[in-house]
Amino acid sequence: GQNIDQPTEMTATEGAIVQINCTYQTSGFNGLFWYQQHAGEAPTFLSYNVLDGLEEKGRFSSFLSRSKGYSYLLLKELQMKDSASYLCASERIYNQGGKLIFGQGTELSVKP
Amino acid sequence: GAVVSQHPSRVICKSGTSVKIECRSLDFQATTMFWYRQFPKKSLMLMATSNEGSKATYEQGVEKDKFLINHASLTLSTLTVTSAHPEDSSFYICSAKLQGAVYNEQFFGPGTRLTVL
Repeated sequence: GQNIDQPTEMTATEGAIVQINCTYQTSGFNGLFWYQQHAGEAPTFLSYNVLDGLEEKGRFSSFLSRSKGYSYLLLKELQMKDSASYLCASERIYNQGGKLIFGQGTELSVKP
Repeated sequence: GAVVSQHPSRVICKSGTSVKIECRSLDFQATTMFWYRQFPKKSLMLMATSNEGSKATYEQGVEKDKFLINHASLTLSTLTVTSAHPEDSSFYICSAKLQGAVYNEQFFGPGTRLTVL
């Protein structure tokens, strides 16, 4: 089956580091995406991993282990504007193409 | 670049009426667009994959006769919620794939908040 798990909520302090974990079970796996979504707005792309390892992009980094079905998003030097929902999504390839399977999202609250 | 728009952003309608939502890729051509719905504090649920010039592919459990999808051009897909009922009230989001994008990511529209009275 297809399954994505991530924590529902997390709280962190401004200036700190937070790691949001995601585990997945996806047949036809073709990569792991992280999106940020503020309330009532569209998700915006943060990162993509298809090979094992760490991808760094400014304050955000994302890690993937395909053998473990595990990814995390690392946010450094947290800012208040980072308060949002973070969506983990795996891409599944099937005969009609590719589609994203989203986790429930992790609501991150950044406190002063 | 890679901007996706949706119209309308909000719509309120009476039960039994039909509502059409448009999704446009503004600065690129999209052979494939996706329609999702999202309930409060819940994940995005894929409803269907919209392919230009062909029939949409619906996910299991999504009624194709209720959620009509038309992808008439490379920049426009429409979702029509027919005979809407209060349980259809939700946040509907479309996305489009930009061929050749570095990460093959989907670009999302701003969403349409549908309220059925």
